[in-house]
Amino acid sequence: NAGVMQNPRHLVRRRGQEARLRCSPMKGHSHVYWYRQLPEEGLKFMVYLQKENIIDESGMPKERFSAEFPKEGPSILRIQQVVRGDSAAYFCASSPLAGSEQYFGPGTRLTVT
Amino acid sequence: TQLLEQSPQFLSIQEGENLTVYCNSSSVFSSLQWYRQEPGEGPVLLVTVVTGGEVKKLKRLTFQFGDARKDSSLHITAAQPGDTGLYLCAGDASGANSKLTFGKGITLSVRP
Repeated sequence: NAGVMQNPRHLVRRRGQEARLRCSPMKGHSHVYWYRQLPEEGLKFMVYLQKENIIDESGMPKERFSAEFPKEGPSILRIQQVVRGDSAAYFCASSPLAGSEQYFGPGTRLTVT
Repeated sequence: TQLLEQSPQFLSIQEGENLTVYCNSSSVFSSLQWYRQEPGEGPVLLVTVVTGGEVKKLKRLTFQFGDARKDSSLHITAAQPGDTGLYLCAGDASGANSKLTFGKGITLSVRP
């Protein structure tokens, strides 16, 4: 009974490169949420997706960030042209239904050098 | 912007002591969740409270949702070193549970 899976667990990118973070929700869960945790700050909501649809992206930076949850395969959070300020832990959560409890993955720790 | 303020920010106690920590807001939440997060890991859901005044128990942990659904408390009885961790409260004001707002967390250290 696997939980939410994220990979890679650690990612190092140089400034200007692209970062791709993957999230496989729990079995039977079709709702995915991405959060970012900056040092000394709480978790901040970024985006909420269902299969093939972005439901709420109000927490996503306007530029360089995008997310998708295709019909097949994991959800992807993509950060283009990374900057040092993107260094953070990125967490994915999933739920079986809209409005039900969210279960978190172990996170991807992105370091931009 | 709905804010969740957690207090105290840091707490260091001796094994066997009792403690209560708080999660407060000026906004009404349809539900509040408490999570525990260990270093290098993701938050693990402990409990969800939904009804004003609700009390839920999880072994030595007691969670209460305020009558007005604006605040919550977590009480730990006879704390153990295994209780050490970051305790986060999170709430959803929309009712759709699509956008959780998190507090900054309470770092608890229980000394043997």
